[in-house]
Amino acid sequence: EAQVTQNPRYLITVTGKKLTVTCSQNMNHEYMSWYRQDPGLGLRQIYYSMNVEVTDKGDVPEGYKVSRKEKRNFPLILESPSPNQTSLYFCASSLSSGTVWIGEQYFGPGTRLTVT
Amino acid sequence: GENVEQHPSTLSVQEGDSAVIKCTYSDSASNYFPWYKQELGKGPQLIIDIRSNVGEKKDQRIAVTLNKTAKHFSLHITETQPEDSAVYFCAASKEGSGGGADGLTFGKGTHLIIQP
Repeated sequence: EAQVTQNPRYLITVTGKKLTVTCSQNMNHEYMSWYRQDPGLGLRQIYYSMNVEVTDKGDVPEGYKVSRKEKRNFPLILESPSPNQTSLYFCASSLSSGTVWIGEQYFGPGTRLTVT
Repeated sequence: GENVEQHPSTLSVQEGDSAVIKCTYSDSASNYFPWYKQELGKGPQLIIDIRSNVGEKKDQRIAVTLNKTAKHFSLHITETQPEDSAVYFCAASKEGSGGGADGLTFGKGTHLIIQP
């Protein structure tokens, strides 16, 4: 089954404790992206990657890091989480052609993060 | 960058009636307008999309219309059913862009409630 998976689905942590949220897709998509969803704000892009070893900032990158060492995986790293990073996080993937994404973006099931 | 406004934030309709959700966008260069449905505990799923070279697209009970001059697009759901209850997001982008300012910009969402 074609899908985007995220782990963990739920995470409660404390301020300053480094964490990683994993994202994996089995559709051989080049393009992957991270979004955060907050009440009343919709979805906002954090980082995206056009292909292996190619990443770039989205609209709200502060406090986050990403890496793309393999095509299927795109982990989101919070090196020193703060309470304002409490949110619902979604990973997405899509085909791409060269430097642009094309077609439908497939979303993972989400990771609910709480930072106390 | 792009700005997408979505209305209403909550919409309650009787089962069998029609529902209309409206979005406006600011960047006249945007050319791709997808609609996503998000059910409780799940990630957004694409339900229909439209590109700027057409004014209307229909898929069974769902249709989307686009007015490029006025920079607005709408989602129409006819003969609503209980399983249509969800949060719906519109988005706009320059298709084929990478991300950041040119990536998908989402509206804040509409919670559609189908009353039995």
